Amino acid sequence: GQQVMQIPQYQHVQEGEDFTTYCNSSTTLSNIQWYKQRPGGHPVFLIQLVKSGEVKKQKRLTFQFGEAKKNSSLHITATQTTDVGTYFCAGLPQAGTALIFGKGTTLSVSS
Amino acid sequence: KAGVTQTPRYLIKTRGQQVTLSCSPISGHRSVSWYQQTPGQGLQFLFEYFSETQRNKGNFPGRFSGRQFSNSRSEMNVSTLELGDSALYLCASRFGGGAPTDTQYFGPGTRLTVL
Repeated sequence: GQQVMQIPQYQHVQEGEDFTTYCNSSTTLSNIQWYKQRPGGHPVFLIQLVKSGEVKKQKRLTFQFGEAKKNSSLHITATQTTDVGTYFCAGLPQAGTALIFGKGTTLSVSS
Repeated sequence: KAGVTQTPRYLIKTRGQQVTLSCSPISGHRSVSWYQQTPGQGLQFLFEYFSETQRNKGNFPGRFSGRQFSNSRSEMNVSTLELGDSALYLCASRFGGGAPTDTQYFGPGTRLTVL
């Protein structure tokens, strides 16, 4: 079936280091959404990417959508302790009607 | 605007019982989706309701069912509970119909433990 793979599963960084999580889909996507879930919390929508090759920035976060619309990445520059949590990507397959979530990357940051 | 609310927040049941979870979407939102979240499987889509009609269904057994009322509130029901049904059940609301290209807002979830 259609899958969205996300790597790495876990990442630990020192505060100030950069962090990147990658998302790869087995099928071409119409769009991809990114969510953040803090420990004990619920997923919170961060952003949606729609266009091939699209790049969007939110302060220290940079989101990219691949040219083939099958992969995406989230890059955090100079991590802070407030960035701790699990980051999920969720892709909508072309002609699909439901988002498929990756299993998430859990980020821990030590100061 | 009030966010998505889910009740109850925590629930403990025993195998074989059934359970009903409730979700109230953000005012004005007509779509409600349900997800199961477990450490092993991550977030898995259960079903989506829009205007009282089930529009989409994930790959879960028939023991999992849902419904939506005219005020957009939704309930999901799990019958004949199994140990593997222990999970965080999240609902998410969004405004639109059609494919999910608009923002989903998640509720805090119901933590179900099956003993």
